[in-house]
Amino acid sequence: DTEVTQTPKHLVMGMTNKKSLKCEQHMGHRAMYWYKQKAKKPPELMFVYSYEKLSINESVPSRFSPECPNSSLLNLHLHALQPEDSALYLCASSPGGVGTPQHFGDGTRLSIL
Amino acid sequence: EDQVTQSPEALRLQEGESSSLNCSYTVSGLRGLFWYRQDPGKGPEFLFTLYSAGEEKEKERLKATLTKKESFLHITAPKPEDSATYLCAVQARASSNTGKLIFGQGTTLQVKP
Repeated sequence: DTEVTQTPKHLVMGMTNKKSLKCEQHMGHRAMYWYKQKAKKPPELMFVYSYEKLSINESVPSRFSPECPNSSLLNLHLHALQPEDSALYLCASSPGGVGTPQHFGDGTRLSIL
Repeated sequence: EDQVTQSPEALRLQEGESSSLNCSYTVSGLRGLFWYRQDPGKGPEFLFTLYSAGEEKEKERLKATLTKKESFLHITAPKPEDSATYLCAVQARASSNTGKLIFGQGTTLQVKP
């Protein structure tokens, strides 16, 4: 079991739906991340939150909207997604210092119909 | 440009046959090199952090080493349960305040009984 918990594990949605992915960590980490991973590829960074503030947006389309309600929670709101957005969405957290490792959850497998 | 290259892309071993995975990197100021293991349908599992040339870390059958240009993940007498994709990632000086990682493409290891 990982210390970063993601829900749901699987999600199927239509292109007109609105849904949210949730990530939770209780390790006291101050940095949290969203990644997108396609099959047989490494994770691609989407967003970074540091001390609950958005510090990196890797030119992600606005149909993905991140939110960090508090230091333990990270959400990713989804709206009007495209079939090419189908992927494994990973959340990670780290203590936030230079050179500290990121710890990943097991992801949400997202399928867009 | 900061870059990470892993080789080989895929590796098949017999149980007990030791080998090494390579991670070559070109970064302006290494702040940390990370090894992860990823099983199908799961998130990456953190294995090791290396910070400076000459450093070594060990965990069970795995040993990670670091030089100024590359890192090796040595697998001694592997077992079928070591089968997974191994990812190498670096944090460079330019992105140390955000924690952004640069990932290699991964090496998929299959260990046959």
